[in-house]
Amino acid sequence: GDSVTQKQGQVTLSEDDFLFINCTYSTTTYPTLLWYVQYLGQGPQLLLKVTTANNKGISRGFEATYDKGTTSFHLQKASVQESDSAVYFCALVNVGDNSKLIWGLGTSLVVNP
Amino acid sequence: DPKIIQKPKYLVAVTGSEKILICEQYLGHNAMYWYRQSAKKPLEFMFSYSYQKLMDNQTASSRFQPQSSKKNHLDLQITALKPDDSATYFCASSQDQGAQNTLYFGAGTRLSVL
Repeated sequence: GDSVTQKQGQVTLSEDDFLFINCTYSTTTYPTLLWYVQYLGQGPQLLLKVTTANNKGISRGFEATYDKGTTSFHLQKASVQESDSAVYFCALVNVGDNSKLIWGLGTSLVVNP
Repeated sequence: DPKIIQKPKYLVAVTGSEKILICEQYLGHNAMYWYRQSAKKPLEFMFSYSYQKLMDNQTASSRFQPQSSKKNHLDLQITALKPDDSATYFCASSQDQGAQNTLYFGAGTRLSVL
């Protein structure tokens, strides 16, 4: 069945460092891939969305590119700020199951000032 | 202002008791959901409602019962609480059932069962 894998449990960076969060997926359909961000004490909120039509999502300095060859959807940001500290979730829309989302385990980003 | 209101924010219950988690959304959405978030586990889909009708139930236990009194309300009743039920419960909504690629979440209710 469809699946999403986030192997990094936590990433610790300093301000202005480059961010790379790994996400790979498995699906037999054309994927719609999402990144959600969850700040402390809040619910997840959609950060960006990518489909096979646009291949790349960009939002608030974050970007993710869909790579069919490696079935990856990594999240990147050139220069992180302390305010980016949060948990980042990769998700896949499962069109074969009422469009339910399949979620990764999340990657906790800690940015030190 | 928050568009999805969940009450209470924190809830402590004793084993065997019953609690109701409240959710109201003011986004004009037609579909609402409940998710559960536990440590070391992915976000877990529980229920989906569309136009106040149950569309999907992925919760094995009948102790969890959603209740929708209005289109923008979806409460979650949990009976015979167990310590394993301790988690943060999120209410979410989307314009329609098929638009789950754009989910909006509330801030959650953190439930602790002692």
